[in-house]
Amino acid sequence: EAGVAQSPRYKIIEKRQSVAFWCNPISGHATLYWYQQILGQGPKLLIQFQNNGVVDDSQLPKDRFSAERLKGVDSTLKIQPAKLEDSAVYLCASSLGAGPNEQFFGPGTRLTVL
Amino acid sequence: AQKITQTQPGMFVQEKEAVTLDCTYDTSDPSYGLFWYKQPSSGEMIFLIYQGSYDQQNATEGRYSLNFQKARKSANLVISASQLGDSAMYFCAMREGGGGTSYGKLTFGQGTILTVHP
Repeated sequence: EAGVAQSPRYKIIEKRQSVAFWCNPISGHATLYWYQQILGQGPKLLIQFQNNGVVDDSQLPKDRFSAERLKGVDSTLKIQPAKLEDSAVYLCASSLGAGPNEQFFGPGTRLTVL
Repeated sequence: AQKITQTQPGMFVQEKEAVTLDCTYDTSDPSYGLFWYKQPSSGEMIFLIYQGSYDQQNATEGRYSLNFQKARKSANLVISASQLGDSAMYFCAMREGGGGTSYGKLTFGQGTILTVHP
């Protein structure tokens, strides 16, 4: 079974530029999560999708971050414009449902904002 | 208040010895789950073990066991017979239940870096 795929693995941009990350969850997984992990800290949930609907985006900085999951499968996370403090690893995870199911994580995208 | 606290920034252990990584949590929800993840230098989060709040027995998965003390709100991870490949960052996480909109969301601690010496 293929795992959670993310691309790109690394991205370097200058502040005020825009960037987009892509995630393909495990086939059949209805729930998809985007986490932000700043160096030296644990991951923090940015947004949770159930199929193509948003369940929780309370910690998503909506003035600059946006995410979509149009067909309930792939998802993209966008930052526009990027700030220095957005430098982090962005992890995508998926699970069968939102209940007591293990979350499977992708390899992450490491973003550096200069 | 921190929901998940890992007080050990770093731990060292000799190969083949056992090590305990500490985790305390804070919730008023009677239904919750506790997770441990391993994050090697490659960055991927690897699920290790899960303990539900209503589980009577401590969870075990191979060399990993979870020392669950509900009254003390602690969920320590015990790794027996450490191996060099166990060197990594370890995160404790909690998922609160209740069926609310945040059901499924994991809240992570700050992590503990484990170094296994030969």
